[in-house]
Amino acid sequence: EAQVTQNPRYLITVTGKKLTVTCSQNMNHEYMSWYRQDPGLGLRQIYYSMNVEVTDKGDVPEGYKVSRKEKRNFPLILESPSPNQTSLYFCASSSTPWTSRTDTQYFGPGTRLTVL
Amino acid sequence: GENVEQHPSTLSVQEGDSAVIKCTYSDSASNYFPWYKQELGKGPQLIIDIRSNVGEKKDQRIAVTLNKTAKHFSLHITETQPEDSAVYFCAATYDSSASKIIFGSGTRLSIRP
Repeated sequence: EAQVTQNPRYLITVTGKKLTVTCSQNMNHEYMSWYRQDPGLGLRQIYYSMNVEVTDKGDVPEGYKVSRKEKRNFPLILESPSPNQTSLYFCASSSTPWTSRTDTQYFGPGTRLTVL
Repeated sequence: GENVEQHPSTLSVQEGDSAVIKCTYSDSASNYFPWYKQELGKGPQLIIDIRSNVGEKKDQRIAVTLNKTAKHFSLHITETQPEDSAVYFCAATYDSSASKIIFGSGTRLSIRP
């Protein structure tokens, strides 16, 4: 079954404690991306990756890091989490960027992060 | 910077009636406009999209219209059903930097039985 998985699904942590949210896709997609979703703000892109070892900043990259060492994995790293990073996070993947005429963008189930 | 405004933020319609959600984008270079449906506890799913060289696109009960001059695009759902209840997001992006995509703030659609 084609899917994007994220772990953990729920996480409560404290300010300053480094954490990693994993994202993995089984569709051999080149393109992966991270979003955060906040009430009234919709989805905002954090980072994206066009392919292995190629990453770039989205609209709200501050406080986040990513890596793309393998095609299937795209972890999101919060080196020193702060309360304003409390949010719902989504990972997404597609075989090409969204403007492909035939492609579908797949989203993961989400990770709800609370930083105290 | 680029911005996508979406209205209304909440919408309640009687089952069987039509629902319309509107978005306005700021970047005139945008040429691809997808719509996503997000059900409770799930990630967004693409339901329909439109490119700037097309004015309207239809897929069964859903349709999208685009007015490039006014930088407006809208989602139309006809003969609404209870399973249409969800949050809907519009988005805009452009081919030359296809990796960046700007989402609207979302519309929570409720279908009254």
